[in-house]
Amino acid sequence: QVQLVQSGSEVKEPGASVKVSCKASGYTFTNYGISWVRQAPGQGLEWMGWVSTYSGNTYYAQNLQGRVTMTTDTSTSTAYMELRSLRSDDTAVYYCARRVPSDYWGQGTLVTVSS
Amino acid sequence: DIQMTQSPSSLSASVGDRVTITCRASQGIRNDLGWYQQKPEKAPKLLIYAASSLQSGVPSRFSGSGSGTEFTLTISSLLPEDFATYYCLQYNSYPWTFGQGTTVEIK
Repeated sequence: QVQLVQSGSEVKEPGASVKVSCKASGYTFTNYGISWVRQAPGQGLEWMGWVSTYSGNTYYAQNLQGRVTMTTDTSTSTAYMELRSLRSDDTAVYYCARRVPSDYWGQGTLVTVSS
Repeated sequence: DIQMTQSPSSLSASVGDRVTITCRASQGIRNDLGWYQQKPEKAPKLLIYAASSLQSGVPSRFSGSGSGTEFTLTISSLLPEDFATYYCLQYNSYPWTFGQGTTVEIK
């Protein structure tokens, strides 16, 4: 069965970086792109970007340009999202999701930014 | 960027009620729209894709319609498990954008 399993919760200080992983199984990884979506506490869903697992091409939300990098490792069927220069308003649950529109989602990774 | 305006932001309804949620796009997006259901502490679940196609495994009481700039999600007869927050998502052009969400609460 299709599964996306994300890395565990993280606590980071302002200015630090975080890298969240998303390991896919149950399908051919390079057949579908991976999106990243985040949700701040009590807020709605925010699309962060998309990475092609076939070509590595990426599209990022404008407000994250320059701070976010999305990559994939096809040898391990894993996608990564790195966010740099963290701020308190980056505190959120981060989700990876397969395909467009996304039919399978990871379980979410809570990233807390606090001094 | 394409803005998605979802309404209402919340509604109260009873089991058995028919519920309709609307999303309006700031420009035409053909039928490149999906609807998601999210329950607390859970990942979103895809209900509808391509504006009106029912995702596999989703009950037929959920339906979607629309094209261009106006879209609706209808739940024909609410069940207790349908109380949740619903989001639309346009994937016609980057950046993809979500509506603000509609919380369906028990009356």
